[in-house]
Amino acid sequence: EIMMTQSPATLSVSPGESATLSCRASHTVGTKLGWYQQKPGQAPRLLIYGASTRDTGIPARFSGSGSGAEFTLTISSLQSEDFAVYYCQQYNDWPLTFGGGTKVEIK
Amino acid sequence: QVQLVESGGGVVHPGGSLRISCAASGFTFSHYGMNWVRQAPGEGLEWLAVIWYDGNKKLYADSVRGRFTVSRDNSKSMVYMEMNSLRAEDTAVYYCARWGIDAATIVLDRWGQGTLVTVSS
Repeated sequence: EIMMTQSPATLSVSPGESATLSCRASHTVGTKLGWYQQKPGQAPRLLIYGASTRDTGIPARFSGSGSGAEFTLTISSLQSEDFAVYYCQQYNDWPLTFGGGTKVEIK
Repeated sequence: QVQLVESGGGVVHPGGSLRISCAASGFTFSHYGMNWVRQAPGEGLEWLAVIWYDGNKKLYADSVRGRFTVSRDNSKSMVYMEMNSLRAEDTAVYYCARWGIDAATIVLDRWGQGTLVTVSS
């Protein structure tokens, strides 16, 4: 099983600033990596797949990068609606595995 | 629009059984694999199972293999999870989620709102 580790666990950011979230895989996954956003009381929402491709309707301020075992999600100019928990997920191998999440909170 | 609606959650005793369901609409259900993912209270996401678009292949997480069974009825656009030998640690919100994008891109592009399963005596 491929283990996914996200850091930091919590990120405090002021509105308008940017946030950089990290995700590390225990084995290389190529670019088979997705990112999700989850707000309290809601289901997760797919943001990015293929490490860097935004899903339909996802704003351009969300960008993903990386390959192999190291990945980054960058949120530029944070809006109020971006404060949430973010999860990475690998799909290079079964079982699908998620990272533990990074909570982006208002500073 | 794509909609996934889970139902069937509730309170069950340890060792008991429950079947949860997911009704799909707004897309050609028989073309998509479907997954179940759960989230324990205050915790992260745990993938549980996948069923291929035609129902011919199923995979499970180690934590539920042998206790949970995923199935689907394409004529009704429904996917199910039969859960047996339930334990306290199975307490969670259970989501169904669509395997979207394409066959090689196994991300979950649409999710239901979840159904809460509580295992307690």
